[in-house]
Amino acid sequence: AQSVTQLGSHVSVSEGALVLLRCNYSSSVPPYLFWYVQYPNQGLQLLLKYTTGATLVKGINGFEAEFKKSETSFHLTKPSAHMSDAAEYFCAVIDDNNAGNMLTFGGGTRLMVKP
Amino acid sequence: KAGVTQTPRYLIKTRGQQVTLSCSPISGHRSVSWYQQTPGQGLQFLFEYFSETQRNKGNFPGRFSGRQFSNSRSEMNVSTLELGDSALYLCASSWGASGRLNNEQFFGPGTRLTVL
Repeated sequence: AQSVTQLGSHVSVSEGALVLLRCNYSSSVPPYLFWYVQYPNQGLQLLLKYTTGATLVKGINGFEAEFKKSETSFHLTKPSAHMSDAAEYFCAVIDDNNAGNMLTFGGGTRLMVKP
Repeated sequence: KAGVTQTPRYLIKTRGQQVTLSCSPISGHRSVSWYQQTPGQGLQFLFEYFSETQRNKGNFPGRFSGRQFSNSRSEMNVSTLELGDSALYLCASSWGASGRLNNEQFFGPGTRLTVL
């Protein structure tokens, strides 16, 4: 089974600063990778996904992520943090042995944005 | 188009009781998945249904069960509740059978279950 590791359970940045949230996965085959965001008392919202093709993926709210096979990474970035970006972020993969929709999630990273 | 609906949003039960949670997917979606979210274990997959058939099941005891109806609505049931079952239970729906295709999953707001 695949696993997903998110380095840093809490990340704090200043408003306007670069956001970098790290995600590494374990997989022997090309994975399908996702980033979700969760605001307090809400469900998960898809930010972006990598399936095939271009390795730099652009998502909503100015976020993007780059799939690096050699590093088994899929880090999430945003050039300039906004207060509204404060939330919890989850990296996830579709298990390569699973033909369905089952997602395996990382532990999550809580992003705090300081004024 | 209405989003994924989960009812109830909040629930308080006592140990030993049983509970049923409901999920109504987006209209036209045939796949429903359930996840448990806790501070200690994070997001863990419970089960997935597609066209009334359970396709996958996570590593949870038999006290956790689910089903899907012909209109794609799904319920999950937890019997003999334990304190550790306190969690946010999230439901996700998607149109297609495979997340490996261009098939986004949409999550509901969750049901917050507290077991006393």
